[in-house]
Amino acid sequence: GAVVSQHPSRVICKSGTSVKIECRSLDFQATTMFWYRQFPKQSLMLMATSNEGSKATYEQGVEKDKFLINHASLTLSTLTVTSAHPEDSSFYICSARTQDSYEQYFGPGTRLTVT
Amino acid sequence: AQSVSQHNHHVILSEAASLELGCNYSYGGTVNLFWYVQYPGQHLQLLLKYFSGDPLVKGIKGFEAEFIKSKFSFNLRKPSVQWSDTAEYFCAVNLYSSASKIIFGSGTRLSIRP
Repeated sequence: GAVVSQHPSRVICKSGTSVKIECRSLDFQATTMFWYRQFPKQSLMLMATSNEGSKATYEQGVEKDKFLINHASLTLSTLTVTSAHPEDSSFYICSARTQDSYEQYFGPGTRLTVT
Repeated sequence: AQSVSQHNHHVILSEAASLELGCNYSYGGTVNLFWYVQYPGQHLQLLLKYFSGDPLVKGIKGFEAEFIKSKFSFNLRKPSVQWSDTAEYFCAVNLYSSASKIIFGSGTRLSIRP
C-alpha cells in the first residue's frame, strides 16, 4: 500500500514553454502533498505544501507564479513549471500523506531538462 | 532556523564492515525522525522511523537507529554492510510545530567496496 506515482518520469522541454508534472496517490487519499526539488548530489529541498482544495503554501524563495501547484482532489496534485528556463532543470519529487499520519510517501520523481 | 546535519558526505567501506552514519538536528521541541535511502536511479524509500517509545528503532534490511534526545541525534547503524547497500542516505525530521513539514539533511553517499 501507500504508493505514489509521478508522470512523466522524464521530460525535455524548450526554454520558454510550460510543463506539467502529475503526482498521484494510488491507494490512499492524500490530504496533503508536498513538492520537492533535488539538484544532482544534493538533498531534497521542499518547494511547497498543498492541501486538497486550498492554495499551496510555498517555501521562502520559491516563486509561486513560476511553480503553479494545484491539488484539486485527494489523489492528484500537479506542478506546472511556467516559462521554463535551463536553470529549472532538476529532479522534482512529490510526496503525500494522509490526515492521520506524519509519514510521507514519496513518488519516483520527474527529471526535467530545459533546453 | 531548524536544520538537520549529516556530517559524513561520503563514506566508503568494505563489505562486512560496520556502519554508523551521523545525524543531528537543531530543534528543541517534539520531533519525528526518519532515515530514507535512495538507491542509484531509484526513488526515496523509508528505512525506518521514530515517533515515540523505544529510542532504538529497527528498520528494513538490517538497519537500526538510536534516538538520543539529549544529543539531538538519530544515528543510523548496520553491523555488517553489503555491496547492495551502496546508496544515498538521508536523515529527515518532522517538526510537530509545522504540522507535516519534513526537513532533510544533506545526505550521505555510501559506497561499498566488494
